[in-house]
Amino acid sequence: SQKIEQNSEALNIQEGKTATLTCNYTNYSPAYLQWYRQDPGRGPVFLLLIRENEKEKRKERLKVTFDTTLKQSLFHITASQPADSATYLCAMLGSNTGKLIFGQGTTLQVKP
Amino acid sequence: NAGVTQTPKFRVLKTGQSMTLLCAQDMNHEYMYWYRQDPGMGLRLIHYSVGEGTTAKGEVPDGYNVSRLKKQNFLLGLESAAPSQTSVYFCASRHKRDRVDEQFFGPGTRLTVL
Repeated sequence: SQKIEQNSEALNIQEGKTATLTCNYTNYSPAYLQWYRQDPGRGPVFLLLIRENEKEKRKERLKVTFDTTLKQSLFHITASQPADSATYLCAMLGSNTGKLIFGQGTTLQVKP
Repeated sequence: NAGVTQTPKFRVLKTGQSMTLLCAQDMNHEYMYWYRQDPGMGLRLIHYSVGEGTTAKGEVPDGYNVSRLKKQNFLLGLESAAPSQTSVYFCASRHKRDRVDEQFFGPGTRLTVL
């Protein structure tokens, strides 16, 4: 079955450093991947979408890559700030349902 | 614009009780979704709707029913609540022709079934 996995361990980094989060998928080649941010007690908020024919997408301090050979997407936050602390979810478009399949999320903690 | 709103925010039920969760959106979106979020499992799709009067099953539909009588509202019903339905429920919506398929989420309903 199609699976999408994120590192369940929290990522702790120092302010100013680059945070890198990983999303791996198996048994499928999605047309695109999305990344969402979720703060405690709130719903996810859309950040970026990257399509299968795009290697990289940028938005301000965010950068997403998509490697269809490795079946992996990397999400980078450069010059990280404590305000970037949140859980980040990746999601892919499932082939059978045409609906999003979400990863479990990785929690990022940026320390001042 | 309020975006996507959910009612109630919190609820505690006893096993066997029923309840309805209400989702409303004011963005004129065609598509609406109900997810549940459990620790370590990510968001899982319960039911969804591609338009007024239509609904379909998602990944985990058992024990839930939905209705979409009006375009702006999507109701999720639990007929006979079970402890396994303790979760945080999120509603989402999106425009049919959105270029990036962005889903807009509500703030969630935290449900505990005793």
